[in-house]
Amino acid sequence: GAVVSQHPSRVICKSGTSVKIECRSLDFQATTMFWYRQFPKQSLMLMATSNEGSKATYEQGVEKDKFLINHASLTLSTLTVTSAHPEDSSFYICSARVSGGNIQYFGAGTRLSVL
Amino acid sequence: GENVEQHPSTLSVQEGDSAVIKCTYSDSASNYFPWYKQELGKGPQLIIDIRSNVGEKKDQRIAVTLNKTAKHFSLHITETQPEDSAVYFCAAALNSGGYQKVTFGTGTKLQVIP
Repeated sequence: GAVVSQHPSRVICKSGTSVKIECRSLDFQATTMFWYRQFPKQSLMLMATSNEGSKATYEQGVEKDKFLINHASLTLSTLTVTSAHPEDSSFYICSARVSGGNIQYFGAGTRLSVL
Repeated sequence: GENVEQHPSTLSVQEGDSAVIKCTYSDSASNYFPWYKQELGKGPQLIIDIRSNVGEKKDQRIAVTLNKTAKHFSLHITETQPEDSAVYFCAAALNSGGYQKVTFGTGTKLQVIP
C-alpha cells in the first residue's frame, strides 16, 4: 500500500520557538495532503487541507498565521507551528490522498511537547 | 456540516468473539466511508472502506455494512484476536471532483481479552 512518512515522530521544544513537521508521500503523488490534530483519547480534528502549488484551506478556528502550511511539491507538505506555546502540545497527523483517488493514507504522527 | 457519531466508545470482547461498532452520519451527500485502526502512538491505518453505491463489503474477518436510507454504517470484526485491540475510527467523506472532506467519528477503543 501507499506509504506516508512523517517526521519527526516526537519533538520537545521551548515555548516561543517554531517547529516544522514534514509529511512525505513515498511512492505516490499526492495533490492533496491533510493536517490533523488529535488530543488524548479524542478523534482527529482536521486543521487544514493542503493543495500542491496553492494556499492551504484552513478549518474554522485554526489560525493560519500560527500553523503555516507549505505544499511545494506533489510529495511533500510541511506544517510549521510558529511561536509554539504549551497549549499547542498535541499529536499532529498528516495524510495524503492519491491524486484522483478517495483514500487518505496517514503518517505515523508527530508528538509535540512545548515546555 | 457533517456530524459523525460512533458507538460504543469502549468495547471489550473475549478472543474469538465478534465485535460490532456502529456509526451514524448526518449529511446525505457523503459518499465514501472509510474505517481506520489506530494503535497507541501511531497514525490511523485504513482497514476497510465502502462507497455509497455498495451496501456491504467484506475482507477476511472484517466487514462493513452501509444503510444509506438510515444514514448509518457498521464495522464487524469476527473471530477477534488480541492484535485487533486498538482504537477504531469511522469516517464519512464527501468526494466531489477534486475536493474531499472527511469527518471522523469519536473512536471506539476495542480490547480483545485473551
